[in-house]
Parts: sequence; C-alpha cells; structure tokens
Amino acid sequence: QQQVKQSPQSLIVQKGGISIINCAYENTAFDYFPWYQQFPGKGPALLIAIRPDVSEKKEGRFTISFNKSAKQFSLHIMDSQPGDSATYFCAASMGDKLSFGAGTTVTVRA
Amino acid sequence: EPEVTQTPSHQVTQMGQEVILRCVPISNHLYFYWYRQILGQKVEFLVSFYNNEISEKSEIFDDQFSVERPDGSNFTLKIRSTKLEDSAMYFCASREDVGQPQHFGDGTRLSIL
Repeated sequence: QQQVKQSPQSLIVQKGGISIINCAYENTAFDYFPWYQQFPGKGPALLIAIRPDVSEKKEGRFTISFNKSAKQFSLHIMDSQPGDSATYFCAASMGDKLSFGAGTTVTVRA
Repeated sequence: EPEVTQTPSHQVTQMGQEVILRCVPISNHLYFYWYRQILGQKVEFLVSFYNNEISEKSEIFDDQFSVERPDGSNFTLKIRSTKLEDSAMYFCASREDVGQPQHFGDGTRLSIL
C-alpha cells in the first residue's frame, strides 16, 4: 500500500528559480508531515515539518503548503541554490513510524 | 550538534550469515527506530523501540530480525540469517519524545553476497 505518493521523480531548476515538490497521502489519521533532505552518502536530515492544523509554514527559503481537504502537501524551495541539489523526501506519520514518499532528486544549475 | 552515529558504514556478508548493525542514538533520546532503503527505492520503516521493548514493527521485520539496547548508549539491529534481498542501506533514527522529530544517522550499507 503506497501511503504517500511523491512527484516529480526529479527536477532541474536554474539558480534563483523555484523548486516545487508535491506529495499526496491516503491515511487521514496522519498528523505530522515532515520533509527530509538527503545528500549522497548521508542520512535524511529534517528540513521542515507541518501539522494539519496549519495551512502553510515557512522557514527561510523553504515553505510547506498543506491542503487537508485534498490530502496534499508540497515543498517550495525559493531562490534555489546549487547547494540545494539533493534528494528530498516527504513523509507522514501517525504515532511512531514515518511513511516516506519515493523521493525527488533536485538539481540546481548555476 | 549531537548526532546519531552508525557503524560500520559498509558491511559485506555472505548469505546465510548473521550480521549486527550498530547505532548510538542521541544521548537524551528515548525513542529509537530502524529504517531501510533498498537501492533506488523509498525509505521503509522496520521497527520502533521504546522503554526496552518493540512498540511497532512492519511486515518486513520478521523473525530473522531482532533489536536490542544492550547498554545505555547502543541500539543494535541483528539479522540472523541474511538473504540477498536484505542488501540495502539501513538507517537508525532517534527522537527525544513524542511530538519531536526523528533524527537519522548516515546509515550502514549492507551488501549480501
């Protein structure tokens, strides 16, 4: 059962552009939605997270938009930089375990 | 900043052999997890551990798998008789308390020959 669907699989953006990654979930009991950033050879690192009582959360250049009725949430990376080139995973949880999306590889061209 | 430490970074084992993957969670964290990521696939939950017992496990975590917190600092994952399909990156994670985020280690790449 694929509980969290993530798209696109990969994207290329020019430096200074906006990267947008979308996720959709099935289980309405999920109550925590984090995004993780992963560089090659490293573990996932928490980037930003949101709970369903909030429609948007912004931390620096990273913004999560959350649409509870559509069961969708997205990550926007503003003013993308070459250092943002990484794989991004959305996830959802209810209680202990995180259910991850398939990941999006973001490449920022200088 | 405190971090989750995993050893070894790469483990190569013959099929059928036992393997133990080791993790040192962040020192004041109470909840511990193992996840795995098969090459090219998503990160999958294996097991969660709290108060010296398993609190939840996935269907992947069958009788060949076990976890242990042998002392106050280490958290281990043992695979009793490894199969080729156990080849993956294994991540340990920990969190301080309910409602806090999970912090991941850099993983152990397990290669079964």
